[in-house]
Order: sequence, then structure tokens, then C-alpha cells
Amino acid sequence: EAGVAQSPRYKIIEKRQSVAFWCNPISGHATLYWYQQILGQGPKLLIQFQNNGVVDDSQLPKDRFSAERLKGVDSTLKIQPAKLEDSAVYLCASSLLGERAHSPLHFGNGTRLTVT
Amino acid sequence: AQTVTQSQPEMSVQEAETVTLSCTYDTSENNYYLFWYKQPPSRQMILVIRQEAYKQQNATENRFSVNFQKAAKSFSLKISDSQLGDTAMYFCAFMGTNTGNQFYFGTGTSLTVIP
Repeated sequence: EAGVAQSPRYKIIEKRQSVAFWCNPISGHATLYWYQQILGQGPKLLIQFQNNGVVDDSQLPKDRFSAERLKGVDSTLKIQPAKLEDSAVYLCASSLLGERAHSPLHFGNGTRLTVT
Repeated sequence: AQTVTQSQPEMSVQEAETVTLSCTYDTSENNYYLFWYKQPPSRQMILVIRQEAYKQQNATENRFSVNFQKAAKSFSLKISDSQLGDTAMYFCAFMGTNTGNQFYFGTGTSLTVIP
């Protein structure tokens, strides 16, 4: 099966600019997650979707971050305006729910964002 | 809230030797799942092994096995016959069944296999 697709692979922007990341999960996976991974740390959940609804966005800095998953398939994560501390790898993951509620996460390759 | 602790930021092991990575977690749930993920320099997180809390038998996947101690809330990963390709960051993760299938990750252990 095709894996989780993310683009771009790398992005360099100046602070106060805006940026968007795209994710296409594995076909049939109902749940989609966006994680922020700062260098040397574990992934931190930003937002979790089930189909096109938000399950948890409690750790999403909503003053600058937004995410959507129209039609319950692919998703975009936007940062506007970016700050220096947003420099991180942004990981997208998906999982299959339903009967297999313990389905593990399948990750994309991530987008490395550098804010200068 | 669930927390996952990995107390070993860095570890090294000689090629062909065995190494154990530690992980502890805190939860009030009785039914949950535990995972070890590997993140090589390519950045993609890869599932190494998983354990269901209701199963007493420790999971094994080729050279990788776990020591799951539910009462102690401990979930260590043992890598046997270490290979150079095992060099990576390893993350322990917890998923509860009462928390909307949220995954909680530890801070990771950087493992280096020395030739």
C-alpha cells in the first residue's frame, strides 16, 4: 500500500511569513494526525481528525496555526504568521479505526521547517 | 493525563551485542496499547513493535522484543544482535482506549550501533 505522503520535504521562510504543509494519508485511514517535533524531542500532537471532524486540537496554537481536512481525506496545516520557535519537523500520521481501534500510526516523511 | 518517560537520552552498543531501552508510563486506564517507533535520520517514524496491555505475553518481532511489566508500568525494548541499521532515535508511545486514540510519545533515546 502507498504510505502517507507529505509535501514539501523542506521549507525555509522568514519570521512573520506564512507557510502551508500538505498531507495525504493512507487510503481508507479515518484518523489523521499532525505532530510537531522540535529537534531532540518527541512528537507533540497538534491536531487529530477523524474523517473531516476535529477530535482534539487542544495543543494547536490557534492564533497562528490552522488545519483542515476537507472531504475527510487529505489535510493542510498552515502557520500564519510564523515565529522562530516554529522551526521543527511537522509530521503527518494516519491510522485505521473502527474494529481495529488499536491500529498503530503510519507516518509520513515529515516537513522540516526552518524559520529565520 | 498520560505521560511517557524515557530516561536514557543516548545509548550505544557494539554491533552484534544486545541493548535494552527503557520506558515507563503513567496512566489510570486498564486497557491500552504500547508501541516502540524507530526514527532514522531520514525522519520517517517506523513501527518496531506493539503490545496490548491485556496480553501477558511479551511481544516479539524478530530481533526486537519487549519486557512489559504492567504493574510497574514499564515497557522496555530489547534489541538482540544489534546491526548498524538499528542506529536511530527510538520513541516509546502510549495509546489509551478512553482518550480518543491519542498517542503520547516519550522524548526518545538516541541509539548508536558501533561497528
